[in-house]
Amino acid sequence: EAQVTQNPRYLITVTGKKLTVTCSQNMNHEYMSWYRQDPGLGLRQIYYSMNVEVTDKGDVPEGYKVSRKEKRNFPLILESPSPNQTSLYFCASSPGARWGTQYFGPGTRLLVL
Amino acid sequence: AQKVTQAQTEISVVEKEDVTLDCVYETRDTTYYLFWYKQPPSGELVFLIRRNSFDEQNEISGRYSWNFQKSTSSFNFTITASQVVDSAVYFCALKGQGGSEKLVFGKGTKLTVNP
Repeated sequence: EAQVTQNPRYLITVTGKKLTVTCSQNMNHEYMSWYRQDPGLGLRQIYYSMNVEVTDKGDVPEGYKVSRKEKRNFPLILESPSPNQTSLYFCASSPGARWGTQYFGPGTRLLVL
Repeated sequence: AQKVTQAQTEISVVEKEDVTLDCVYETRDTTYYLFWYKQPPSGELVFLIRRNSFDEQNEISGRYSWNFQKSTSSFNFTITASQVVDSAVYFCALKGQGGSEKLVFGKGTKLTVNP
């Protein structure tokens, strides 16, 4: 089944404890992206990747890192999480054709205490 | 700047009613794509439809239909004979010609269909 998977789905952590949210897609998509969803602010792009080893900042990249060493994986790294990073995170992928549709993973709910 | 406005924050209907969700967008790009996504209570984002700026034909998929009008910069979504399972937050989104390929989302419309 074609899908985007994220792990973990739910995570409670404490301020400053490094964490990684994994994202994997099995559709051979070139483009991958991370969004966060917050009440009143909607969905905002954090980082994106056009292909392996090609990543760039979105609208709200502060406090996050990403890497794209393989086509299928695009992990989101929070080196020192803070409470303002409490959010619902979505990974998305698309074929990379300029106007490809983005398909989203199931989301990761993160609570930083 | 690109912007998507979904003026209806919440809509409540009774099952079998028709309901239209409004979406108005702003962009200076000549080529762009519009999308609708559904977010059910379980939280995932489900793709519903994509429409490009050169195709103003309306589309129907079962009980769902979409009306795209460039003249009014609108891309409205109608659910006919609504069902309880249609209860969700619906997002309209826009992708322009920017290199980030990012989707600009509206704030969403929460639809509640009551039995």
